Amino acid sequence: AQKITQTQPGMFVQEKEAVTLDCTYDTSDPSYGLFWYKQPSSGEMIFLIYQGSYDQQNATEGRYSLNFQKARKSANLVISASQLGDSAMYFCAMREGGTNTGFQKLVFGTGTRLLVSP
Amino acid sequence: EPEVTQTPSHQVTQMGQEVILRCVPISNHLYFYWYRQILGQKVEFLVSFYNNEISEKSEIFDDQFSVERPDGSNFTLKIRSTKLEDSAMYFCASSPRTGVKNIQYFGAGTRLSVL
Repeated sequence: AQKITQTQPGMFVQEKEAVTLDCTYDTSDPSYGLFWYKQPSSGEMIFLIYQGSYDQQNATEGRYSLNFQKARKSANLVISASQLGDSAMYFCAMREGGTNTGFQKLVFGTGTRLLVSP
Repeated sequence: EPEVTQTPSHQVTQMGQEVILRCVPISNHLYFYWYRQILGQKVEFLVSFYNNEISEKSEIFDDQFSVERPDGSNFTLKIRSTKLEDSAMYFCASSPRTGVKNIQYFGAGTRLSVL
């Protein structure tokens, strides 16, 4: 079963508009972390934002915010005031809990390609 | 800002040859990882490494793969006898500590092309 599901292969948004990229996840572990990474055409993976399963508030980092709905198991990324430089592939990822267990791998979704138009 | 450095950025090799992909993790980080991304597909976990030994490996990480931290700064991934299907982008990542809030920072990747 898919642990991370990103149902939008591609999204379009106009510059200065907000856009939401969807991510749902599946885990039975009560302790987990959710991450979003950006991959521009140059290929590198850039960390954007993190949300912990026990965090009471939705995470925010500048123009990025994470709409975390635990009961629905969703962790959507909201980008406000889109810029041309936001055009990239966006990956949602999860790490299930455990401390000092070595189970630290990230499981990624298939990604959403965002295109920002002028 | 500290970053994970990977070399080379692009490696072309013949099938059956050995390749070594190199990474310099962020200096105070303790946990190291390799991931790969076949063109157009999602990023897949290969191996995690802590305290000079493998913490976890995926089924992709078979006997053809090995990792090493030969000195205090480098972290390498070796593929002993490359196959066509090893062609992918290989990412090194590092993180400062364990636990759920454990952000992994990625390098820019090495694109491996096996001919």
